[in-house]
Amino acid sequence: ILNVEQSPQSLHVQEGDSTNFTCSFPSSNFYALHWYRWETAKSPEALFVMTLNGDEKKKGRISATLNTKEGYSYLYIKGSQPEDSATYLCASFTGGGNKLTFGTGTQLKVEL
Amino acid sequence: DAGVTQSPTHLIKTRGQHVTLRCSPISGHKSVSWYQQVLGQGPQFIFQYYEKEERGRGNFPDRFSARQFPNYSSELNVNALLLGDSALYLCASSQGSRLYGYTFGSGTRLTVV
Repeated sequence: ILNVEQSPQSLHVQEGDSTNFTCSFPSSNFYALHWYRWETAKSPEALFVMTLNGDEKKKGRISATLNTKEGYSYLYIKGSQPEDSATYLCASFTGGGNKLTFGTGTQLKVEL
Repeated sequence: DAGVTQSPTHLIKTRGQHVTLRCSPISGHKSVSWYQQVLGQGPQFIFQYYEKEERGRGNFPDRFSARQFPNYSSELNVNALLLGDSALYLCASSQGSRLYGYTFGSGTRLTVV
């Protein structure tokens, strides 16, 4: 993996469903992995910053895991609500630089 | 406490013109990063500044330049605008460590005609 990649590109779920997305990133010289939520007409909002292999973070119904050895992170949303509708971006710091590289995002739509 | 503020919010320019975008970080944040976001893509890194020094530069032509002022606010300048420069330009501030999340502004929507 040379770039940060996210899947799926978009997702439609029903209210109450649980869902998860994947972020793949270069595993060599890994430093930190960020997750952001970007709602329409708003600014991207930081959800998690993760650094340690095996790390797991949780904020309400949203949680994330990190595997730095194989270069992937999962974001989970339990019991999706319409207000969870947003684009979820992951971004990775790799190497010694200060470039936070973003994926293209997963667009989530939660329907009633 | 004010968040990251960017100005202007929208801008229309003609090809060949020059544009200056402005960003004020959160109080206490010494680092400012600039990103370009076009539809269907993730934000693309342009520059990062910390304590008025350039700490990172993305893969953008020399027409793009930036600077950071003593109060940590920042300007992004783009010369000789091309149609392809039309995008949302995001500014993000942080405490300077990669261990902290970025706080983003609402962006400047630049349209080049």
